[in-house]
Amino acid sequence: DAGVIQSPRHEVTEMGQEVTLRCKPISGHNSLFWYRQTMMRGLELLIYFNNNVPIDDSGMPEDRFSAKMPNASFSTLKIQPSEPRDSAVYFCASRPRDATNEKLFFGSGTQLSVL
Amino acid sequence: AQTVTQSQPEMSVQEAETVTLSCTYDTSENNYYLFWYKQPPSRQMILVIRQEAYKQQNATENRFSVNFQKAAKSFSLKISDSQLGDTAMYFCAFLLWGGYQKVTFGTGTKLQVIP
Repeated sequence: DAGVIQSPRHEVTEMGQEVTLRCKPISGHNSLFWYRQTMMRGLELLIYFNNNVPIDDSGMPEDRFSAKMPNASFSTLKIQPSEPRDSAVYFCASRPRDATNEKLFFGSGTQLSVL
Repeated sequence: AQTVTQSQPEMSVQEAETVTLSCTYDTSENNYYLFWYKQPPSRQMILVIRQEAYKQQNATENRFSVNFQKAAKSFSLKISDSQLGDTAMYFCAFLLWGGYQKVTFGTGTKLQVIP
């Protein structure tokens, strides 16, 4: 299996632009998580889905952030408009259906820089 | 809501020595899992060790072991015979047992192994 695939690996954009981050979870995993990593706050959970349905989006910073999971194999995190304080590494992670396996499988992250 | 606290932003240890990273958490639940993840400079997230709260015996994985104190809500990671490859960010994480729950991370401890 190729693991969790995120794209792009790096994104540099200007303030005010729309940014879309993409994630393909591991096939068969039914939980998907979006995290943001900063030096000050560590790994913050933004939103997570179970069976493509958003369960908890209380970590989404504000209305500029939105996430979708149209099917079991694809999710997006969109920031519109982007601001310099959104600069961070964004991780996607998935977890399998098997209740005895609680390990999270992470993608390699997207380094976002908003100038 | 569950919280995870790592009070040591940075630590260093001499190669071959032992180091302990601290983690405390807060929950009113009785059944849960605790994890330590390692993030080397490559940004990859690697599961180091996990502990089920119902188990009294502390988990061990080769040079890595934990000191799990349930009553004190403490979950420290001990790395023995530190190696240069242990240089990384270490995150403590919490997961409630049952159903599709979210994983909560601490802010991380940056560990530097000095040759």
